[in-house]
Amino acid sequence: AQSVTQLGSHVSVSEGALVLLRCNYSSSVPPYLFWYVQYPNQGLQLLLKYTSAATLVKGINGFEAEFKKSETSFHLTKPSAHMSDAAEYFCAVRGYNTDKLIFGTGTRLQVFP
Amino acid sequence: DAGITQSPRYKITETGRQVTLMCHQTWSHSYMFWYRQDLGHGLRLIYYSAAADITDKGEVPDGYVVSRSKTENFPLTLESATRSQTSVYFCASSESNRGVYEQYFGPGTRLTVT
Repeated sequence: AQSVTQLGSHVSVSEGALVLLRCNYSSSVPPYLFWYVQYPNQGLQLLLKYTSAATLVKGINGFEAEFKKSETSFHLTKPSAHMSDAAEYFCAVRGYNTDKLIFGTGTRLQVFP
Repeated sequence: DAGITQSPRYKITETGRQVTLMCHQTWSHSYMFWYRQDLGHGLRLIYYSAAADITDKGEVPDGYVVSRSKTENFPLTLESATRSQTSVYFCASSESNRGVYEQYFGPGTRLTVT
């Protein structure tokens, strides 16, 4: 069965610092992977998705994620954090031949001035 | 307005009362979903629908009822609300439930059961 693990329920960075949010999946076949962002009192919004076209995926707001099959990971990064990046981030996985989108438990990103 | 909307945005109800949360999308997406979001649990799927008149259970369906008579609407009913159903509820829609298709989320309904 598919599963996804987000390491670290809370991550804190200073404004301008590198953002790294970790996501690992379990799958025998490379799945489809998604990162969503949730700002306070809002619904989830797609940041980016991995579709097997390229291992490095660029998303909105300067975020990107790299698919590493050998590490079964899809970590989300941003070179320089901005105060407006403070939000909760969810990694999600869908198996190659399944109809279930499985969400991780989320990582809350805090950005300090 | 285009997109996916939920109503009400906030609701307080008493234990044992019936409450219906509404969801409406304007994209004519085939699939619609209901999730609940609770601290420490992330998002959990309650029910989903592949088309009008086709619904299926998700991970946590007990205590909930859904219907989908029209493609654009997917109401969620709590027949007899319990305190454990206090949560934030999100509706989502998608063209497909396979492959690269992402889900589009509504703004959520915060439900408190007293």
